[in-house]
Amino acid sequence: EAQVTQNPRYLITVTGKKLTVTCSQNMNHEYMSWYRQDPGLGLRQIYYSMNVEVTDKGDVPEGYKVSRKEKRNFPLILESPSPNQTSLYFCASSFNPPTGELFFGEGSRLTVL
Amino acid sequence: GENVEQHPSTLSVQEGDSAVIKCTYSDSASNYFPWYKQELGKRPQLIIDIRSNVGEKKDQRIAVTLNKTAKHFSLHITETQPEDSAVYFCAALISSGSARQLTFGSGTQLTVLP
Repeated sequence: EAQVTQNPRYLITVTGKKLTVTCSQNMNHEYMSWYRQDPGLGLRQIYYSMNVEVTDKGDVPEGYKVSRKEKRNFPLILESPSPNQTSLYFCASSFNPPTGELFFGEGSRLTVL
Repeated sequence: GENVEQHPSTLSVQEGDSAVIKCTYSDSASNYFPWYKQELGKRPQLIIDIRSNVGEKKDQRIAVTLNKTAKHFSLHITETQPEDSAVYFCAALISSGSARQLTFGSGTQLTVLP
């Protein structure tokens, strides 16, 4: 089954404790992206990757890191989480360029206390 | 970067009526405009898209129109049904050099009243 898998789905953590949200896709997509969803703000892009070893900042990259060492994986790293990073995070992938369906993961709800 | 504005933020219609959601974008280099539907607690899913060389596209009860001169595009849903209740997001893709950035609007909560 074609899918984008994110883990963890739910996480409560404390300020400053490094965490990683993993994302994996099995569709051989070149393009992958991370979004955060906040009420009234829609989906805001954090980082995206056109292909392996190629990443670019989106609209809200501050406080986040990503890596793309393999085509299928695109982890999101929060080196020192803060409460303003409490949000619902979505990973997504598509063929390149993304002028076709963007497949989203189920989302990861992160709470930073 | 691209800026996409979406209106209205909430929309209530009676079952069977039509619903229209509008988006404007800022960068004339944008060339691809998808619409996503997100049901409560679910992930966003593509429902229709349009490319910049087309003015209108229709798929059963949903249609999208694009006005490149005015830099706005709209989603039209006819004969609305309760299952159309969801949050709808528009988006615009800008291609600049090697960069490809898909920017979303802030979303419209559509409620179809039975």
